[in-house]
Amino acid sequence: GAVVSQHPSWVICKSGTSVKIECRSLDFQATTMFWYRQFPKQSLMLMATSNEGSKATYEQGVEKDKFLINHASLTLSTLTVTSAHPEDSSFYICSAASVESRRVSYNEQFFGPGTRLTVL
Amino acid sequence: AQSVTQLGSHVSVSEGALVLLRCNYSSSVPPYLFWYVQYPNQGLQLLLKYTSAATLVKGINGFEAEFKKSETSFHLTKPSAHMSDAAEYFCAVSVGGDMRFGAGTRLTVKP
Repeated sequence: GAVVSQHPSWVICKSGTSVKIECRSLDFQATTMFWYRQFPKQSLMLMATSNEGSKATYEQGVEKDKFLINHASLTLSTLTVTSAHPEDSSFYICSAASVESRRVSYNEQFFGPGTRLTVL
Repeated sequence: AQSVTQLGSHVSVSEGALVLLRCNYSSSVPPYLFWYVQYPNQGLQLLLKYTSAATLVKGINGFEAEFKKSETSFHLTKPSAHMSDAAEYFCAVSVGGDMRFGAGTRLTVKP
């Protein structure tokens, strides 16, 4: 149980184009999903937290107009990198926190396999 | 805000030797603590978690960790390293749903 998928697993795009990454919780409902960015040989940096049906909360220094997050349902969140540039090339990982009855099991996150974005 | 510090960005052990990866945390409230493993170009896999029950936590693949409040530590150990343990390991602390990761420790296992 608690499987999270990401699509695509890797993508190459030209500078200036937009790229959408999907994050799905396959066997549970997630009111909250998280988006992380990981540079080579570095740790995960939280970009934003998204709650179903509301606007995402972005970490300081993350451009919300560049990294558009939509959490339209309890099983799907999307990250759109708009007008991508080479410096946006990175490994993007999403995670989801499950809902248990009326108590949000916030403290455990289930991670997707990641999406490798390369911007030429 | 809570944080974790992983001592040693790179640890190298021989196959069959003890694995010890260090993690110290900082939190103003009782934390939840996690260890994750990451293989190249993959997401994170949960090894084990501390959720205020037993202080000695056993995880997958023979790993375990002990929560020591007095030392604010949550070190990861495995009695005998296997070649397949070579990977990046992350310690994480979560308070109220806000999870913060350590910088990671790359484990190399020599034959």
